[in-house]
Amino acid sequence: EADIYQTPRYLVIGTGKKITLECSQTMGHDKMYWYQQDPGMELHLIHYSYGVNSTEKGDLSSESTVSRIRTEHFPLTLESARPSHTSQYLCASSEWGASGRSLQETQYFGPGTRLLVL
Amino acid sequence: DAKTTQPTSMDCAEGRAANLPCNHSTISGNEYVYWYRQIHSQGPQYIIHGLKNNETNEMASLIITEDRKSSTLILPHATLRDTAVYYCIVSSSDSNYQLIWGAGTKLIIKP
Repeated sequence: EADIYQTPRYLVIGTGKKITLECSQTMGHDKMYWYQQDPGMELHLIHYSYGVNSTEKGDLSSESTVSRIRTEHFPLTLESARPSHTSQYLCASSEWGASGRSLQETQYFGPGTRLLVL
Repeated sequence: DAKTTQPTSMDCAEGRAANLPCNHSTISGNEYVYWYRQIHSQGPQYIIHGLKNNETNEMASLIITEDRKSSTLILPHATLRDTAVYYCIVSSSDSNYQLIWGAGTKLIIKP
């Protein structure tokens, strides 16, 4: 089993509030990710990090921000929550290796945070 | 855009082998095929991956055709707990090997 944790698991909050979703992993993985997933829909990458002090935006535009001060910790922050931010947020970390010209990477996911903004 | 094509849904009887197909006709020579599954909107779970040889682990087998344009995930003895959405993903060398998630196949195991 992967050792990756997300808190809170569920969050109901009012519009305009600042929220931080926590993600931590104990596997020593350098690469970490945040995905957003609406019910029954595909996962969309919103942020990722190659390691400490590295943050990149994903394919889906997001009003959230992330930070990576420690290897094991990758929090996601919404400065002002809106109903359009209601979704499930999934954190992942990965171990990867290069073999010739190929790069293989296995992602391990946390249980997710279900966010409801009223 | 996802680089794979999967059926939207499939049924399988409990105890039988579940064979999930995936087409990836544009796969490049250095791109891996990955399979993940997601149960009840939990975080996705890694199952298996391969490059060109068939692979087997404690969860499943992965059969990749010789031309690498398609693959099949095999769950040898499906149980009710295998009901999930199964994602076939090709890591994209065009986008720094990020995983591009599609809609997957909803597999329903019936008693």
